[in-house]
Amino acid sequence: DTEVTQTPKHLVMGMTNKKSLKCEQHMGHRAMYWYKQKAKKPPELMFVYSYEKLSINESVPSRFSPECPNSSLLNLHLHALQPEDSALYLCASSPILRDEQFFGPGTRLTVL
Amino acid sequence: KQEVTQIPAALSVPEGENLVLNCSFTDSAIYNLQWFRQDPGKGLTSLLLIQSSQREQTSGRLNASLDKSSGRSTLYIAASQPGDSATYLCAVLNTGGFKTIFGAGTRLFVKA
Repeated sequence: DTEVTQTPKHLVMGMTNKKSLKCEQHMGHRAMYWYKQKAKKPPELMFVYSYEKLSINESVPSRFSPECPNSSLLNLHLHALQPEDSALYLCASSPILRDEQFFGPGTRLTVL
Repeated sequence: KQEVTQIPAALSVPEGENLVLNCSFTDSAIYNLQWFRQDPGKGLTSLLLIQSSQREQTSGRLNASLDKSSGRSTLYIAASQPGDSATYLCAVLNTGGFKTIFGAGTRLFVKA
């Protein structure tokens, strides 16, 4: 298996909802990343996990809560989001930190 | 602070043409540089990774070069095809850093 998968593909949620995004890879990679991408902009790094430990938090608001239950799985828990949080959320993995990154197809999130 | 610039922002060429995409960065102390393509609304596909000790990398019709001293990388696409139409992003990782910095991308359109 040489890909990163993300579910769901699309998500529409209200500002009071709680939802989660899921990312999975079975390439044995030990670094996993969450990025946020607004329309016609480059991806912006949110969180980095290395060996299931949070290594980087780019000052992301607490309404975004990452979780890495095991080496293959990365979740992003969402709560009380704002309409400006609507974006494409991308997950990536790499063999180790600072190595070549491989991206999933993304989750298109719309906050109403 | 590292800044990554890609020029031009958009490019339209006829099928079969050879073309060059440019990426420049302000801090030459980089660890690696990665080129990606992104189709509209999709995730990023890794094209080539160049380590700081390398001068170029090749994959099929793609050739990426790196000149750290001048803060530049180029992506050469030979014999362009309509299927090459996408946004091309370069991303830089600094020496001693863990955050990948993306350029804004070049939108390429190859006309049949």
